[in-house]
Amino acid sequence: QSALTQPASVSGSPGQSITISCTGTSSDVGGYNYVSWYQQHPGKAPKLMIYDVSKRPSGVSNRFSGSKSGNTASLTMSGLQAEDEADYYCSSYTSSNTYVFGTGTKVTVL
Amino acid sequence: EVQLVESGGGLVQPGGSLRLSCAASGFTFSSYAMHWVRQAPGKGLEYVSAISSNGGSTYYANSVKGRFTISRDNSKNTLYLQMGSLRAEDTAVYHCARDYYDGSGWRDAFDIWGQGTMVTVSS
Repeated sequence: QSALTQPASVSGSPGQSITISCTGTSSDVGGYNYVSWYQQHPGKAPKLMIYDVSKRPSGVSNRFSGSKSGNTASLTMSGLQAEDEADYYCSSYTSSNTYVFGTGTKVTVL
Repeated sequence: EVQLVESGGGLVQPGGSLRLSCAASGFTFSSYAMHWVRQAPGKGLEYVSAISSNGGSTYYANSVKGRFTISRDNSKNTLYLQMGSLRAEDTAVYHCARDYYDGSGWRDAFDIWGQGTMVTVSS
């Protein structure tokens, strides 16, 4: 199972919006509405930000939103804040009854 | 407090074995499917394995199939990962993670993660 493809880095100024893409195949992202997104600060455990493509767990800011088109999912962060600077990973359920993560994207707040 | 705490990591020689544990607290462990996810130093997350709530079903990434075995003891609220035939590329921090229940059903996501335990495979 190959990792989902994400851009290595994305940056934006405070208050701006940025979008991270996550590209897979019809056996994972394109085949199921089971894409999730995780935020990971250095030295910390990942935190669930989005599940089922576009749903937010309780307590996650509505500045975070998710979507999907075909084999590509996206995470959009609006009103970028300094605390959003972290690594972000997408994940998808796969046809092998397992999961696959994305390559990860480092978000920098300028 | 809902918590997962991993232990059992360490330095092991190539070809060796190691058993990781993940102690759960603050929730009804026996109701949740559980997962192992690893992260090599400076690298991204890699899915390793899953086990159903009653232990009856298990799933593995191709990279560890036949070498790793996931299990659980619901009486001890503990998840395990028995690792064998270890290779240098298995060097990573191993996290356990809980399946996510959003109030209306089980979701294919992981809402609680442990801090991880480091496994180093080297001679």
